[in-house]
Order: sequence, then structure tokens, then C-alpha cells
Amino acid sequence: EDQVTQSPEALRLQEGESSSLNCSYTVSGLRGLFWYRQDPGKGPEFLFTLYSAGEEKEKERLKATLTKKESFLHITAPKPEDSATYLCAVGTGNQFYFGTGTSLTVIP
Amino acid sequence: NAGVTQTPKFQVLKTGQSMTLQCAQDMNHNSMYWYRQDPGMGLRLIYYSASEGTTDKGEVPNGYNVSRLNKREFSLRLESAAPSQTSVYFCASSTEAKGQPQHFGDGTRLSIL
Repeated sequence: EDQVTQSPEALRLQEGESSSLNCSYTVSGLRGLFWYRQDPGKGPEFLFTLYSAGEEKEKERLKATLTKKESFLHITAPKPEDSATYLCAVGTGNQFYFGTGTSLTVIP
Repeated sequence: NAGVTQTPKFQVLKTGQSMTLQCAQDMNHNSMYWYRQDPGMGLRLIYYSASEGTTDKGEVPNGYNVSRLNKREFSLRLESAAPSQTSVYFCASSTEAKGQPQHFGDGTRLSIL
């Protein structure tokens, strides 16, 4: 059964304290893995697409990496404005599955 | 740049009432989607439309109907609302056929009493 699991569910960081969010998946025939950011009361905002193991993408303080079983979203020296829920999703065949997200709070 | 616009933003219904959620995009995208988001669950696809006049069921279509009125607009209708349909509904669009939803609206928060 295709499945996407994100951990942790919630993460509190001090400003400047780097960490990583995890997205593990079990799907047949990965077409791509996608990261989104969702602010309270808003729709998800697309961040990255990763297509193959070993691929990395960066945007400001965020870096996404992909292995054959999981993806990490590394957050370097986070700021309070990075506080949001981060969603990952995988595309396989004609299906697209979202994880439940990691709620990140960065404390000044 | 409006992107994807959803109306209304909030709605409260009584069980058995009907309503239509509206969605419009101004990016000339072919594909449009309706998702629902519930606590502790990932976004789940209700219906998908690859182009004007075509729609396909997603993971949770029961209790819903959709209309792709034209390339810009994709509406979601609840014919007889049930408390289990209390959720946040998101419309999205993309350039690819049933690919990754690229742009989301800000959602409609629907409560059914």
C-alpha cells in the first residue's frame, strides 16, 4: 500500500537552531517527491520537486534531499518567519499522496 | 496576480442543506483539483479535471459533484450536506495533466451542524 509519513508531527526550534524534517514513503514507481509550505489559514505553497535519489534542491534556508526511501527538509539557522506547516507529497503513476505535515515553530 | 481564488472563505450549513463552492484560476492552467484537509490526515483528492468538460473521481468523491464550467472555473457542490463533510476545502491548479497541484487557493472553511 502506498504511504507517506512525516515526522515529527511538531517541532519547536530556537531561532538559529538548525534541524531536519523527515518524509518517508513506500510507493511503487515514484514520479516525484514534493515539498510545500502551509501558513495558518492559507493554502499550501509549492517549494521543491525532487525526482531521483541523490537529488538536492535549495531555497534560502531550506534544503531538500531525497533517498530511495525518504526525503529530508533541512532548515539552517531558521528565523521566526520560517514557522509554518511543511507538507510533503509523492506522485506515483496517476496518484498523488500527501503526508500529514510537520508543524514548525521558530522561537525568537 | 490573483492565482487561485475560492469563494466563500467561510460557511456554516445545516445537515441536509446544499451549497456550491466556487473556484477560479487566472493562470491558464488545464488541470484543476478539489481537495479536503482534515486534522490528522493529509490532503485528500475529491475530484480532478484535466480540461474543460472532463472530470474524474479522486480518493473521496462520495457526497460531492463537480462542474468544470470553462477553463478558469471549477465548482464543487454538496447536494445534501452531512457533518462528516465539515472540513477545509482547497482548490488547486496545475499545468500538467493529473500532475502535481502547483497553485492552491486559500481554502473554504465549511462547518456542517
